[in-house]
Amino acid sequence: DAKTTQPTSMDCAEGRAANLPCNHSTISGNEYVYWYRQIHSQGPQYIIHGLKNNETNEMASLIITEDRKSSTLILPHATLRDTAVYYCIVRVASNAGNMLTFGGGTRLMVKP
Amino acid sequence: GAGVSQSPRYKVAKRGQDVALRCDPISGHVSLFWYQQALGQGPEFLTYFQNEAQLDKSGLPSDRFFAERPEGSVSTLKIQRTQQEDSAVYLCASSRTGTRAGEQYFGPGTRLTVT
Repeated sequence: DAKTTQPTSMDCAEGRAANLPCNHSTISGNEYVYWYRQIHSQGPQYIIHGLKNNETNEMASLIITEDRKSSTLILPHATLRDTAVYYCIVRVASNAGNMLTFGGGTRLMVKP
Repeated sequence: GAGVSQSPRYKVAKRGQDVALRCDPISGHVSLFWYQQALGQGPEFLTYFQNEAQLDKSGLPSDRFFAERPEGSVSTLKIQRTQQEDSAVYLCASSRTGTRAGEQYFGPGTRLTVT
């Protein structure tokens, strides 16, 4: 799986949009971009994934650049409960046995 | 519906003891993964089951680690002769197959402390 690079930490004001970047310049054509987050003392939680089109669900939006070498996870109105470590992962979607390879992630602190 | 559950949530073991950690995946999920998470690090893959078959155990750190899923549902991770370096959170995850295989559902983890 391709390696990803994320900032170590970010702050965001409550109610504002949180934009979390991820670089994955060596991504292959069949690899998807996945985002997970891990709130303190909990297991990781799936957020969203995409291949090349932008995606949106009830939790977040995912913007992938046209060359697919980077992406941004957007939490449109961050709340204190969004404070967590956010992981950007690339993997082949349909391979059931393909484990998730977590890097260091971005520690997002949402402040009042 | 019910998510992935793990037990115990916390386990303290003296060095040299054997421990067994249990995972109950989401009903119907074919794939089951175990991960190890050291303090301040991201989770690291240990092993993978598809139904009852252990298809990948490349992440198990030593032959003291053993995992099983005999009936294709509940899984147990066993660590023999625990060492201090085994102290970590052990996470279990399950998923469907096909194009949603990357959506893994994690349990809360078992925090193992070896003294």
